[in-house]
Amino acid sequence: QSALTQPHSVSGSPGQSVTISCTGTTSDVGAYNHVSWYRQLPGKAPKLMIYDVNKRPSGVPDRFSGSKSGNTASLTISGLQAEDEADYYCCSYAGNYTYVFGTGTKVTV
Amino acid sequence: QVQLVESGGGVVQPGRSLRLSCTVSGFTFSDYAMHWVRQAPGKGLEWVAVISYDGSNKYYADSVKGRFTISRDNSENTLYLQMNSLRAEDTAVHYCARVSGMALGHWGQGTLVTVSS
Repeated sequence: QSALTQPHSVSGSPGQSVTISCTGTTSDVGAYNHVSWYRQLPGKAPKLMIYDVNKRPSGVPDRFSGSKSGNTASLTISGLQAEDEADYYCCSYAGNYTYVFGTGTKVTV
Repeated sequence: QVQLVESGGGVVQPGRSLRLSCTVSGFTFSDYAMHWVRQAPGKGLEWVAVISYDGSNKYYADSVKGRFTISRDNSENTLYLQMNSLRAEDTAVHYCARVSGMALGHWGQGTLVTVSS
């Protein structure tokens, strides 16, 4: 149950795009299309942004998109806005009802 | 709307026990699996445990297996986490979360557990 690997931080200017990678193994990210992404503002609970690799819950802007290739999943934020500045975590189903989170990435706008 | 409210956190000495509760409203509790997730101060999220909708299946992270027990009372719309043999490294904000498909779609505000002598 090792944490998925994410870059510590990424940054971009307003209007630009940023992509956050999430690298796991053949036992989690590579095995299942159940990767989700969460945004966490300081002192707040995480919020689901993407589920099942590339699906957006109702209310999440289409500026947020997800993808996966092999053992690595990615979250792309297009048209970066100041309100997107937060910590982002990936999460993967790892079989036997268990889950594993990523190490987290701080997005700076 | 969906609401999850954790309680029971506090300061506890190493080796002691604590029970967290998560009271929910706004949905049919007995229809959903539930999770506990924790976050140590300044650190990332760590998945802790999951319980099936009817309580028949329970799974744990290796870091808490044998010390923590997840349970639920569907008649009271409440999820529990019994934490025994607490260690300093268990210090964290503990969140309960409801599944949405295979993701964690709804979260509580969290309750802080501090393990210190």
